[in-house]
Amino acid sequence: QVQLVESGGGVVQPGRSLRLSCAASGFTFSSYGMHWVRQAPGKGLEWVAVISYDENNKYYADSVKGRFTISRDNSKNTLYLQMNSLRAEDTAVYYCAKDWAMGRGVDYWGQGTLVTVSS
Amino acid sequence: DVVMSQSPLSLPVTLGQPASISCRSSQSLVHSDGTTYLNWFQQRPGESPRRLIYKVSNRDPGVPDRFSGSGSGTDFTLKISRVEAEDVGVYYCMQGTHWPPFTFGGGTKVEIK
Repeated sequence: QVQLVESGGGVVQPGRSLRLSCAASGFTFSSYGMHWVRQAPGKGLEWVAVISYDENNKYYADSVKGRFTISRDNSKNTLYLQMNSLRAEDTAVYYCAKDWAMGRGVDYWGQGTLVTVSS
Repeated sequence: DVVMSQSPLSLPVTLGQPASISCRSSQSLVHSDGTTYLNWFQQRPGESPRRLIYKVSNRDPGVPDRFSGSGSGTDFTLKISRVEAEDVGVYYCMQGTHWPPFTFGGGTKVEIK
């Protein structure tokens, strides 16, 4: 069965960096695009970024463009999110999610990892 | 960007009674390939989201048949025919037709009266 396990969250000061990882199993990772979606405490879902199966195409939400970088290592079945210049408003649970149909949305989600940006 | 609007924000329902959630998009979600990429997700308290419905009306494996999706163009509905206790949570619609960005509705909280 599909499993997505995020890691790397924690407490970080404003302006600092953090890298999230998502270990995937149960499907052919190298054949699917992958997303990051976040959820601020008590709030709704916000799409963050998507990467194509071959890493050739990457797209970002305006709120993170220029600060966050999505990447993947298909040899390790792992998705990453490099987050730089973090702000208080980036505080959220970050979920990785599997793309389901050539960029038409997501199907499976991980359990999420909490990022808290605070001094 | 496509704006997704859900109503109501909160939906108190009696066990065994039906529930209906509306999702409206700021533009038609019909893709140039003829498909409408509108999905519904359930997020139970303390859990990750789970997809229930894809392409407007297709139920994911394991989703009870009391859940159904309908709609077209800009107007969509998720219905629960008879609400059970395990259905408590927040429901989100999401469009995958016009991206980036992918966009979600603000969520509808289903609770038991």
